Amino acid sequence: QKEVEQNSGPLSVPEGAIASLNCTYSDRGSQSFFWYRQYSGKSPELIMFIYSNGDKEDGRFTAQLNKASQYVSLLIRDSQPSDSATYLCAVNPSGTYKYIFGTGTRLKVLA
Amino acid sequence: GAGVSQSPSNKVTEKGKDVELRCDPISGHTALYWYRQSLGQGLEFLIYFQGNSAPDKSGLPSDRFSAERTGGSVSTLTIQRTQQEDSAVYLCASSPTSGRARETQYFGPGTRLLVL
Repeated sequence: QKEVEQNSGPLSVPEGAIASLNCTYSDRGSQSFFWYRQYSGKSPELIMFIYSNGDKEDGRFTAQLNKASQYVSLLIRDSQPSDSATYLCAVNPSGTYKYIFGTGTRLKVLA
Repeated sequence: GAGVSQSPSNKVTEKGKDVELRCDPISGHTALYWYRQSLGQGLEFLIYFQGNSAPDKSGLPSDRFSAERTGGSVSTLTIQRTQQEDSAVYLCASSPTSGRARETQYFGPGTRLLVL
């Protein structure tokens, strides 16, 4: 089992719809969870981080964390074509400063 | 302010040659990370530096890979006797000094390495 798993996609959604991206992780003691967006040929950029169970909202983005089920998700409301990118989930395992990244989910927002 | 910078942006080398990749973190950031991203893959952790502490080298794939960080700032990743499977984008990231904010990584533009 990979430490951080994501569906590679592509996930296609129409413009204006809600895109839902999911990530599961294996280290139950993980404390910090991150979502990065990576455009083709570019470096990852941080979208959101979440530490506590529940939802965290920032503009059109909502991160959801469920530690009991070991998953973290990212919802993008009112999806725009400019949201088309690969979304990387990253987890900070307990007791380390390492970040374990998933392979990313490619999102395509259709105009 | 200036972000994380990396050089060169692209490097083409022949199998068996050594290469050096450079990273300049954001000024004042004490944490520095190196990652490798192969085509269509996620980021693979290589090494982590924090201040003057011993680096976490647990992600280095072989003894051909080494890294150093001089004066707590600039870092160099060296790959000796390069192999074709070393071809990838090598990304550097840095983090601030303290508090929860230290967990926010800022990535450089990467070095695209191609080993022929």
